[in-house]
Amino acid sequence: RKEVEQDPGPFNVPEGATVAFNCTYSNSASQSFFWYRQDCRKEPKLLMSVYSSGNEDGRFTAQLNRASQYISLLIRDSKLSDSATYLCVVRALGTGRRALTFGSGTRLQVQP
Amino acid sequence: DTAVSQTPKYLVTQMGNDKSIKCEQNLGHDTMYWYKQDSKKFLKIMFSYNNKELIINETVPNRFSPKSPDKAHLNLHINSLELGDSAVYFCASSQGTSALNYEQYFGPGTRLTVT
Repeated sequence: RKEVEQDPGPFNVPEGATVAFNCTYSNSASQSFFWYRQDCRKEPKLLMSVYSSGNEDGRFTAQLNRASQYISLLIRDSKLSDSATYLCVVRALGTGRRALTFGSGTRLQVQP
Repeated sequence: DTAVSQTPKYLVTQMGNDKSIKCEQNLGHDTMYWYKQDSKKFLKIMFSYNNKELIINETVPNRFSPKSPDKAHLNLHINSLELGDSAVYFCASSQGTSALNYEQYFGPGTRLTVT
């Protein structure tokens, strides 16, 4: 089983739509959770961290469910510029382990 | 100013050759990483250095040898290149703290093609 699993998509949605992605992780020792965004042929960039209580940043809302070991990202009022691959990222606690485990990403295509 | 830079951006080489990729960060971070992103888009950690000390060494063939001359630089040398080494290699850096939530900054990637 992969450590971090995501539906690869693509999710094709019209502008203005609301879209949600889920991600599951297998390591119950995971402590930190993030959503990164990767545009085609570019490097990943942090979109937002995911906090236990859930958090919102403009049109983006992230939720964490530790009991079920999944993370979600909700995008409201989709824009063309939201088209990208969204990577679910998890970090497990451990001495010296500051690396991140990435999911393979969910591709979003917002259409006019 | 580029925060994390890598050279070269593209590298095309033949099987059996030895090549190096360089990475530099000007963010003052103390931890640097090498990741490999294969054709299926999985991004996997290869190595991590903290203040020039190797702290993560995943299951990577020993043909891959990282070197960190100082905490702002992390280079990757690959011996005897194989077809399966073709991928995009990303360098990243972060400022390690006791906090659990922190951001990694990625370089633009080096697209390696082995023919």
